[in-house]
Amino acid sequence: DTEVTQTPKHLVMGMTNKKSLKCEQHMGHRAMYWYKQKAKKPPELMFVYSYEKLSINESVPSRFSPECPNSSLLNLHLHALQPEDSALYLCASSPGEEYEQYFGPGTRLTVT
Amino acid sequence: GQNIDQPTEMTATEGAIVQINCTYQTSGFNGLFWYQQHAGEAPTFLSYNVLDGLEEKGRFSSFLSRSKGYSYLLLKELQMKDSASYLCAGTTLDSNYQLIWGAGTKLIIKP
Repeated sequence: DTEVTQTPKHLVMGMTNKKSLKCEQHMGHRAMYWYKQKAKKPPELMFVYSYEKLSINESVPSRFSPECPNSSLLNLHLHALQPEDSALYLCASSPGEEYEQYFGPGTRLTVT
Repeated sequence: GQNIDQPTEMTATEGAIVQINCTYQTSGFNGLFWYQQHAGEAPTFLSYNVLDGLEEKGRFSSFLSRSKGYSYLLLKELQMKDSASYLCAGTTLDSNYQLIWGAGTKLIIKP
């Protein structure tokens, strides 16, 4: 299984809603990532989990809250988002440092 | 500072060869990735170069010159499905988790 899965594929939420994005991989990878990507821009790193511990937080606003329940799962909890947070949210995993990252298909998020 | 540059857009003809260049100025440079991204889809890994030289994978090859801070992706026998954005991304010795991304090159293939 060389796949990273993400749910949902699309999400529309209001600024007062609470929602969660989910990501799963069964490749035994030890690092998992959340990225945000705007149209015609490269992915922008948000968080990195290494061995289920938060390794990197790129000064992301607290309305985004990551969670790594186990080595295969990664969640991103969303609360009180702004319209400018609308973007493609990508999850990725890698065996460890200095390895290629495998990306999931992404969640297209629209905040109204 | 950390900076990676690549052309914004390129056009090529089906069946031809195209070279997409990427230059970098990154302190503590370690290696360079190439990813392909079709519109609305996730990036997919193409290659990773750490050592100088050319690495070939089927129709795609990637080259790195550490002394010149330069890499390229070579696509041969272009097919219409190769129309996509191609992103180069560098890693540094400080953190191999954090990729320094170029803005991406949109490649348009014409019949």
